[in-house]
Amino acid sequence: KAGVTQTPRYLIKTRGQQVTLSCSPISGHRSVSWYQQTPGQGLQFLFEYFSETQRNKGNFPGRFSGRQFSNSRSEMNVSTLELGDSALYLCASSVTGGGPYEQYFGPGTRLTVT
Amino acid sequence: GESVGLHLPTLSVQEGDNSIINCAYSNSASDYFIWYKQESGKGPQFIIDIRSNMDKRQGQRVTVLLNKTVKHLSLQIAATQPGDSAVYFCAESYYGGSQGNLIFGKGTKLSVKP
Repeated sequence: KAGVTQTPRYLIKTRGQQVTLSCSPISGHRSVSWYQQTPGQGLQFLFEYFSETQRNKGNFPGRFSGRQFSNSRSEMNVSTLELGDSALYLCASSVTGGGPYEQYFGPGTRLTVT
Repeated sequence: GESVGLHLPTLSVQEGDNSIINCAYSNSASDYFIWYKQESGKGPQFIIDIRSNMDKRQGQRVTVLLNKTVKHLSLQIAATQPGDSAVYFCAESYYGGSQGNLIFGKGTKLSVKP
């Protein structure tokens, strides 16, 4: 079974631009979560989608948004990029069955904002 | 790659020794805990999990101990190998609420000397 894939793997953007990152979950997984990883703040939860609906959202500004498609693929968008948005963006997928479950992470998209 | 934080606590062990990585979690209501391993340039990889109704769980060469009284989690790795060198994160979740939100610790860097 193929793992979680994220595209692109690396991205360089200029402050003020917007960016869209993509995540394809493991086949059969319906939940996709997004995390931001930085040296200073570590791994922080952005949001989670399940069946095309955002189920939970972390403490990030409204410039960070996401969506999920009917095939469970997910995208996240960051508008008006700031230098502090430079980070590794990770997505994780899981099978949601009403109890604790493990999340499988993709390799991440390394975003650099200049 | 620099996918993990700078100035992380570091544990240095000799190959073949046992390693113990500790983690203090934040929410007394958390009921699901996971250990992840992250190698440079990769996303976190699931190692082992434990529910709050357990205090110990064993996997292959790994054991997780949970002490809810002091909100402490530990990961024991038996016969540590060079391939175990990575950053290890504990994560907690309250699955009675949203299931997609993992709260990660800051991480510990494990360095295995051959």
